[in-house]
Amino acid sequence: DGGITQSPKYLFRKEGQNVTLSCEQNLNHDAMYWYRQDPGQGLRLIYYSQIVNDFQKGDIAEGYSVSREKKESFPLTVTSAQKNPTAFYLCASSMMTGDEQYFGPGTRLTVT
Amino acid sequence: SQKIEQNSEALNIQEGKTATLTCNYTNYSPAYLQWYRQDPGRGPVFLLLIRENEKEKRKERLKVTFDTTLKQSLFHITASQPADSATYLCALAAGQNFVFGPGTRLSVLP
Repeated sequence: DGGITQSPKYLFRKEGQNVTLSCEQNLNHDAMYWYRQDPGQGLRLIYYSQIVNDFQKGDIAEGYSVSREKKESFPLTVTSAQKNPTAFYLCASSMMTGDEQYFGPGTRLTVT
Repeated sequence: SQKIEQNSEALNIQEGKTATLTCNYTNYSPAYLQWYRQDPGRGPVFLLLIRENEKEKRKERLKVTFDTTLKQSLFHITASQPADSATYLCALAAGQNFVFGPGTRLSVLP
């Protein structure tokens, strides 16, 4: 059953703590992405990776970090430096950058 | 500055009618454009891609047009059904990635 998974679905953290969101795909896609979605707004690109061991900053990378040590995995760490971390986070993958994207179910992060 | 806009945040139509959603952009020159559907609390799902040299693309009850002169794409759902109720996002190819519009929330009323 091919697809892209994110865990957990809901995540609660205290301010000042780092938190890591998981994203795994078994579609054999080279490119992976992290987006943030706030109410009433479009998706904003945080980071993307075109290939293993390589990643690039998106439009709103400040306060976030990623790694791409395996083709299947692209975890996102929300650091304490991110000023407004509460949001819906979406991971996506595509065969190559620019192709149609397959999205995961999302993780809703709440920081209090 | 670069901007991508989608018509009214919310659109209500009667079942059986055609829904038309617009996507307008400024200061982009996308080689292609995609439309996605997003249900509440879920990730978007790809629907259609249209390239700059294509005027129109169809898939079942869906039709997309792309006018690079007007810098606009129109997304039509014919014979709409309550199950079509969702938020629809347009996404422009910008460099190696996509820029997403804010979305239009469509409600099809029975």
